Amino acid sequence: DADVTQTPRNRITKTGKRIMLECSQTKGHDRMYWYRQDPGLGLRLIYYSFDVKDINKGEISDGYSVSRQAQAKFSLSLESAIPNQTALYFCATSDPNTGELFFGEGSRLTVL
Amino acid sequence: EDKVVQSPLSLVVHEGDTVTLNCSYEVTNFRSLLWYKQEKKAPTFLFMLTSSGIEKKSGRLSSILDKKELSSILNITATQTGDSAIYLCAAYSGGYQKVTFGTGTKLQVIP
Repeated sequence: DADVTQTPRNRITKTGKRIMLECSQTKGHDRMYWYRQDPGLGLRLIYYSFDVKDINKGEISDGYSVSRQAQAKFSLSLESAIPNQTALYFCATSDPNTGELFFGEGSRLTVL
Repeated sequence: EDKVVQSPLSLVVHEGDTVTLNCSYEVTNFRSLLWYKQEKKAPTFLFMLTSSGIEKKSGRLSSILDKKELSSILNITATQTGDSAIYLCAAYSGGYQKVTFGTGTKLQVIP
């Protein structure tokens, strides 16, 4: 089984719908991240969390919210999806000493 | 604001060529520089660099960090079509304890 698991892997939805992407990990890491990837723009940080009570905005948090339900679970929500949120989303955990990131397989979201 | 810049943005080479990918960074309280390879799915880890001037090697790939110049290079020798991918550079900031990525270099190796 993968160390970092994302669901769903693919989702097509319509403008205005609420969408939740879920992430769970078995690495035992406190730090978890949500990134968005668009062609030519690399990976951009949406939100990150150091523990259940510590959640921080990244560089592109507008239009997104997160919930850290437990050390192992970190979900990303789009309250009212819009077409420019069409992207590939990655959840990751990190080693606190080195910063090495461990990625989920990605969730491809299409907003029509 | 933390920043990582990669160059070139894209590169097309023939099998057997040697390539050098560049990465420069400006981050608060720098801790480490990370290289990832991304094919169709999630990025996979290549190297982590923390000390200046010490080369990390893995087969045909190698990387080195220059903390004075705030930069790193990734070298690939004797390229193969399987090296075609996006190569991502990232810097880990001890200040905010987050990882900032560059836009990536898209490498295409043609037979």
